[in-house]
Amino acid sequence: SQELEQSPQSLIVQEGKNLTINCTSSKTLYGLYWYKQKYGEGLIFLMMLQKGGEEKSHEKITAKLDEKKQQSSLHITASQPSHAGIYLCGAGGTSYGKLTFGQGTILTVHP
Amino acid sequence: DAGITQSPRHKVTETGTPVTLRCHQTENHRYMYWYRQDPGHGLRLIHYSYGVKDTDKGEVSDGYSVSRSKTEDFLLTLESATSSQTSVYFCAISGRDNQPQHFGDGTRLSIL
Repeated sequence: SQELEQSPQSLIVQEGKNLTINCTSSKTLYGLYWYKQKYGEGLIFLMMLQKGGEEKSHEKITAKLDEKKQQSSLHITASQPSHAGIYLCGAGGTSYGKLTFGQGTILTVHP
Repeated sequence: DAGITQSPRHKVTETGTPVTLRCHQTENHRYMYWYRQDPGHGLRLIHYSYGVKDTDKGEVSDGYSVSRSKTEDFLLTLESATSSQTSVYFCAISGRDNQPQHFGDGTRLSIL
C-alpha cells in the first residue's frame, strides 16, 4: 500500500516569511492533491498535480511535483495569518478515486 | 462550495450503542467516501461507494458498515460503538475517479 510522509509535522513562522511543506511517497504518484483544513472544519481543496515536473500556483501558494513523481512540495510566499491551518497531501491514482493521506502539517503564522 | 451536508455535527454516546452518521449531497456525484481523522494519522478511509448499492471497504473498516440506497445519501453505521471509534468523521464526494474529492464539515463523535 502507498504511504505518504509529510514534513515538517508542525511549523511556526512569523508573518511575511516563506515556508515549504514536503510530501514524500513510498510509491510513484499518479495524482497528488493538496488540501487545507482549519480547526474544526472540513478540508478545502487547493491543487492537484499529475505530471512529473508539474507546478501550479494559486495566490501565494505554489505546489510542485518532482520529475520522478515521488515527492511534492507546497511553498507559501510571504505567509499571512490566514494561511494558518493543517495542510494535507493525498495520493490518488487508484481505482474509484480513493485517496491515501499524509498525517498533515500544522502551520502557525504569528502576526 | 460543494453541496455536502453531514449530520449530526456533534454526538456523544455510550459504548455499545448503535450510531448512524449521514452524508447528503446535492451534486449528483457518483463517488462517496467516509474517512476518520485522528491525531497523528491524517485521514483514513473507512468505506466508499461507487454507485447506488455499490460499496466497498477501505483501510479501517472493522466495526463499521455503510449503505447507499440513493445517489444523494451515504450512511455510516457503528453497530456497537466502542471508545476507539471516538473520532472526527468526514464524508467526501467526487464526480470522477481523477477529480478532487470535496469534503463535508465533519461529525465529531465521542463515545464514553
